Amino acid sequence: KQEVTQIPAALSVPEGENLVLNCSFTDSAIYNLQWFRQDPGKGLTSLLLIQSSQREQTSGRLNASLDKSSGRSTLYIAASQPGDSATYLCAVNTNAGKSTFGDGTTLTVKP
Amino acid sequence: GAVVSQHPSWVICKSGTSVKIECRSLDFQATTMFWYRQFPKQSLMLMATSNEGSKATYEQGVEKDKFLINHASLTLSTLTVTSAHPEDSSFYICSARSGSSYEQYFGPGTRLTVT
Repeated sequence: KQEVTQIPAALSVPEGENLVLNCSFTDSAIYNLQWFRQDPGKGLTSLLLIQSSQREQTSGRLNASLDKSSGRSTLYIAASQPGDSATYLCAVNTNAGKSTFGDGTTLTVKP
Repeated sequence: GAVVSQHPSWVICKSGTSVKIECRSLDFQATTMFWYRQFPKQSLMLMATSNEGSKATYEQGVEKDKFLINHASLTLSTLTVTSAHPEDSSFYICSARSGSSYEQYFGPGTRLTVT
């Protein structure tokens, strides 16, 4: 059974810092991995999708990497802003489309 | 980007009644939709996979007679919580899968409170 772990559970940084969120998974037989952002009381916003054959994806200040063999992914946020404060979830997807989510990292960026 | 909507966004119902939640893909056809529930400060747990025109596949521990799922068209799936109890109070989120990339697009969620 796939298990997804996100570390740290919570992170507080001053504005402008670069930061890394970690996601690890136990079963490397994945189809792709997706990073989401969730604001309090809201649904999920997709940030980046990495196919299993890819090593990284970039979107603006966000960069996600994937090392399937070691079961790890990282989300790098450059020059953090208060508006980046949210919970970040990673989800590992099988080729059947099933997703297993981590518990998330709650990020607070202080002005 | 692909848009998924849910209706209602929040609902309060009395114990014993049934509540229907709709999930729609607005600008794409979704052969597969997924239903999740999320308790406060916890992550999403997959409840069931809904395929258009066929019966839903439920995850272990999810009562299929309590959580009725219908996926009658390529743009609409519904979740009906039957005989709701206070412990069913939760945030219900659907997602729809587009094409072969298996990227999921999530709806905004429905907050259900059972009194």
